[in-house]
Formats: sequence, C-alpha cells, structure tokens
Amino acid sequence: AQKITQTQPGMFVQEKEAVTLDCTYDTSDPSYGLFWYKQPSSGEMIFLIYQGSYDQQNATEGRYSLNFQKARKSANLVISASQLGDSAMYFCAMREGGSNYQLIWGAGTKLIIKP
Amino acid sequence: GAVVSQHPSWVICKSGTSVKIECRSLDFQATTMFWYRQFPKQSLMLMATSNEGSKATYEQGVEKDKFLINHASLTLSTLTVTSAHPEDSSFYICSARDQPSGRGEQFFGPGTRLTVL
Repeated sequence: AQKITQTQPGMFVQEKEAVTLDCTYDTSDPSYGLFWYKQPSSGEMIFLIYQGSYDQQNATEGRYSLNFQKARKSANLVISASQLGDSAMYFCAMREGGSNYQLIWGAGTKLIIKP
Repeated sequence: GAVVSQHPSWVICKSGTSVKIECRSLDFQATTMFWYRQFPKQSLMLMATSNEGSKATYEQGVEKDKFLINHASLTLSTLTVTSAHPEDSSFYICSARDQPSGRGEQFFGPGTRLTVL
C-alpha cells in the first residue's frame, strides 16, 4: 500500500499566486515526521519544511507553510506569493520510527509557475 | 551547515567498466548515509542504507555485488557501479543523516548523472 500519496502529477500556477501541493500519508506509527523537498532541474534536493507528528502548530518557513491535518493524515505544502524560481519538482516524504530514519517518498508534483 | 558533496557530478563511461561515486559530509559527521537512484520524472528509489563501519543494507531488488557501497568513515561513503551497462544509466544521489537528529532530516548531495555507453 502506498504510504505517501501525491495526487497532483503537475500544476500550473500564475506568478504571485499561492499554491497548495497535496500530500496524504498512511502510518500506524504514532511518532513520525513529514518533510517537503524541492528538486529543481539541476537535480539537487532542497529541504523546505518539516512537521513532526507531535507538533501542535503547523510548520512555517518563510513563504512555505505546512497545512498539517493529523486526523485526515494530510500534510499539504502551501507556497505563498509564488515566484518563477519555485518551478520545480516537489516531493513529500515521511520518516517512520526505526534506527535508520529511512524516508518514504511520494511520487512528486511538478510545479510550473507562469509569468 | 549540513553540506553534502558528491563527486563526480556527471560521468560517461563505456559498458563493462566500473564507476565510483563519492559522497562526503563536509561539516558534520554522518553515521548513516543513503544511496538513491532516480529515473527521469520519477521519485527517488532507495538503493541502500549505509552505516559507518558496517555493511550496507540493500533494498529488495538491488544487486549488492553490482552496487558496492563502502562507508569507511563518518564523512565518506562510496558507491561503485561494477561492470556498468547502459541500463545502469541514471541519476544517483546520496544523502546523509547527522547524529543525533530527532527530526531524521536527510541532507542531500547534488547528485551524479551516470551515462553508460
């Protein structure tokens, strides 16, 4: 069963608009972490934001915020005031318990910002 | 902080040769490093988890004799693709986890694009 689901293969958004990238997850582990990474065409993976399962508040990092709805098992990424440089692949990932902290990855969403 | 380098960034080799890719954590000690493979327009596929001083743990379907991983120090892990074939052409990316980290965040290298002719 898929543990991380990103239902949007691709999105087009007008520059300066806000955009929400969807991510749902499935786990029975009460302790887990959720990550969003950005991968531009250069290939590097850039960490954006983290949400722990016990965190009471939604994570925010600059223009990035994570809409964490624990009961619905969703962890959507919100990018405010999108910029042309935001065009990239975006991956949602989950860390479950375990000594090696492996990440489980979603399929990704390709975001294209239109000028 | 938390910088991971990867070398080379791209390599072209002939079929049958071996290629070594290095992954280094530059400003932290990495007890665990991960090696991923990524096909175009797809997500990351974990190949193996490497702990310093011990044998790597390979994911199902990954040939350990073909993809040799060595994690000899807390700052260096290497992936050697032995007897490379065109189907091994891919984007290989490593990541490292510092110690201890409650978040389990992985810091990624810039990746290596391998083309086997």
